[in-house]
Amino acid sequence: DTAVSQTPKYLVTQMGNDKSIKCEQNLGHDTMYWYKQDSKKFLKIMFSYNNKELIINETVPNRFSPKSPDKAHLNLHINSLELGDSAVYFCASSLGHRSNQPQHFGDGTRLSIL
Amino acid sequence: AQTVTQSQPEMSVQEAETVTLSCTYDTSESDYYLFWYKQPPSRQMILVIRQEAYKQQNATENRFSVNFQKAAKSFSLKISDSQLGDAAMYFCAYTGAGSYQLTFGKGTKLSVIP
Repeated sequence: DTAVSQTPKYLVTQMGNDKSIKCEQNLGHDTMYWYKQDSKKFLKIMFSYNNKELIINETVPNRFSPKSPDKAHLNLHINSLELGDSAVYFCASSLGHRSNQPQHFGDGTRLSIL
Repeated sequence: AQTVTQSQPEMSVQEAETVTLSCTYDTSESDYYLFWYKQPPSRQMILVIRQEAYKQQNATENRFSVNFQKAAKSFSLKISDSQLGDAAMYFCAYTGAGSYQLTFGKGTKLSVIP
């Protein structure tokens, strides 16, 4: 059984379009995250939700809007896509907000902007 | 702000040999957690090992062990009896106690030579 699943795995679209990436976890975790991995493989936190509430919102353009309908889901919607948005986006989850709990990652969504 | 530095962008090791990947971090906190994640070409992010800063004993998971030097703020990963499946990007990560946020290093690409 997949613990943290993201869909789609690949997303190719044109500049200016709006797209969404979905994330679901079946681990019973209540904290979820979105990370961006750039072309140099650098991973950076974008957002974090705990029990559907936003707790981390790093310096990310407001074209990116996370939505958490329940604690098992954290979706990422991106408006007006730009070339610089091309990256791999990872969803992750952890048990509670204790920092010693490891984060479990999804397989990533590779977003390519034409 | 916390920073994590991996000074070796690439490393290689002969199969069955031992290799050590370096990681240093900068923090003013006394309680924190450190992790090593592995990212094979399949793109998954897999937790390899974790260390609690308050524990003096170095963490060990099968062929993977760490050398945690708190005073030096150093957290290196040793892989013994290297296998072809160990070839991957390895990321060192830090989180402060009470923090939700993982800060990653830029990664070390490990190649295993048959």
